[in-house]
Amino acid sequence: GAVVSQHPSWVICKSGTSVKIECRSLDFQATTMFWYRQFPKQSLMLMATSNEGSKATYEQGVEKDKFLINHASLTLSTLTVTSAHPEDSSFYICSAGAGGSDTQYFGPGTRLTVL
Amino acid sequence: ILNVEQSPQSLHVQEGDSTNFTCSFPSSNFYALHWYRWETAKSPEALFVMTLNGDEKKKGRISATLNTKEGYSYLYIKGSQPEDSATYLCALSEGTYKYIFGTGTRLKVLA
Repeated sequence: GAVVSQHPSWVICKSGTSVKIECRSLDFQATTMFWYRQFPKQSLMLMATSNEGSKATYEQGVEKDKFLINHASLTLSTLTVTSAHPEDSSFYICSAGAGGSDTQYFGPGTRLTVL
Repeated sequence: ILNVEQSPQSLHVQEGDSTNFTCSFPSSNFYALHWYRWETAKSPEALFVMTLNGDEKKKGRISATLNTKEGYSYLYIKGSQPEDSATYLCALSEGTYKYIFGTGTRLKVLA
């Protein structure tokens, strides 16, 4: 149980384009989902917390207009990287809370490369 | 702001060896400590969650301990197998799900 999928697993795009990443909880409802980013040799850094039906809460230093998060249902959250630049190239991973416990369940991540 | 450190960054062990690594943090002001195993191209898998000083958890050949007074947690693997090769992450949560991760320990078990 508590399976989270993420799509796509990798994407290459041109500078200036937008990329959407989907995160789905497959066998549970997730009122809260999280988006992390990991640069090489660094730890997973929380970007934002997304609650179903409300606006996401962004961590300090994360541009909300650049990283659009939508959590329209209890099983789906999306992250859209708008006007991507090479410095946005990174590994993005989502997680979901299953309710009643502090444990987060993670997707497998998305490797974004911006040319 | 909590700072979570893991050591070593990476290690290689022979199949059958036992090993351990450390997650350290400067304060006991947190809600829980989590350990995850993360195999390449897969989702991080939750191993343990610990909240109290002296907590010990075990899952098969893997166990973990928590010492909040001195600010560390150990993860032990007994009789390492090649399938244990993965990155082991620890994370502190401050409650309400918010995690702060260490950089992980990358384990390679040689057959």
